Amino acid sequence: EAGVAQSPRYKIIEKRQSVAFWCNPISGHATLYWYQQILGQGPKLLIQFQNNGVVDDSQLPKDRFSAERLKGVDSTLKIQPAKLEDSAVYLCASSLADRDTQYFGPGTRLTVL
Amino acid sequence: GNSVTQMEGPVTLSEEAFLTINCTYTATGYPSLFWYVQYPGEGLQLLLKATKADDKGSNKGFEATYRKETTSFHLEKGSVQVSDSAVYFCALKEGGSQGNLIFGKGTKLSVKP
Repeated sequence: EAGVAQSPRYKIIEKRQSVAFWCNPISGHATLYWYQQILGQGPKLLIQFQNNGVVDDSQLPKDRFSAERLKGVDSTLKIQPAKLEDSAVYLCASSLADRDTQYFGPGTRLTVL
Repeated sequence: GNSVTQMEGPVTLSEEAFLTINCTYTATGYPSLFWYVQYPGEGLQLLLKATKADDKGSNKGFEATYRKETTSFHLEKGSVQVSDSAVYFCALKEGGSQGNLIFGKGTKLSVKP
């Protein structure tokens, strides 16, 4: 069974630029999560989707971050404009349902200069 | 609010040494508890979990027991190997249909031959 796929793996941008990350969850997984992991800290949930609807986006900085999950499968996370403090690893995870084990992708490491 | 506290790292051990990584939590209700592992260059992987008090999770020689009276979920392994070198994250998941994972800051383990 294929795991959670993410791209790109690495991205370097300058502040005030925009960037987008892509995630393809495990086939059949209804729930998809985006986490932000700052160096030296544990992952923090940004947004949770159930199919193509948002379940929880309370910690998403909505003035600059946006996410969508069209057709309830792939998802994109966008940052516009980026700030220095957005430098982090962005992790995507999926699960069959909300109560089930979450499976994580390899992450996208973002560096904002 | 809910939170997870892990012992500070890094932890350096010799091969075949005994490992303990402490984890305590604060939660309302009865959360599920998890240990995730992140090997260098890879995504988070579920190591073990426990869903109720006194449950013991185990996998790959690692064990952790859900202790409600001490609000703890310490990770142990009797004899570590070089291949166990990784970052270990303790996490809790609140109950209910919209619970999400809350992670500790992680503990880096290095095992020397």
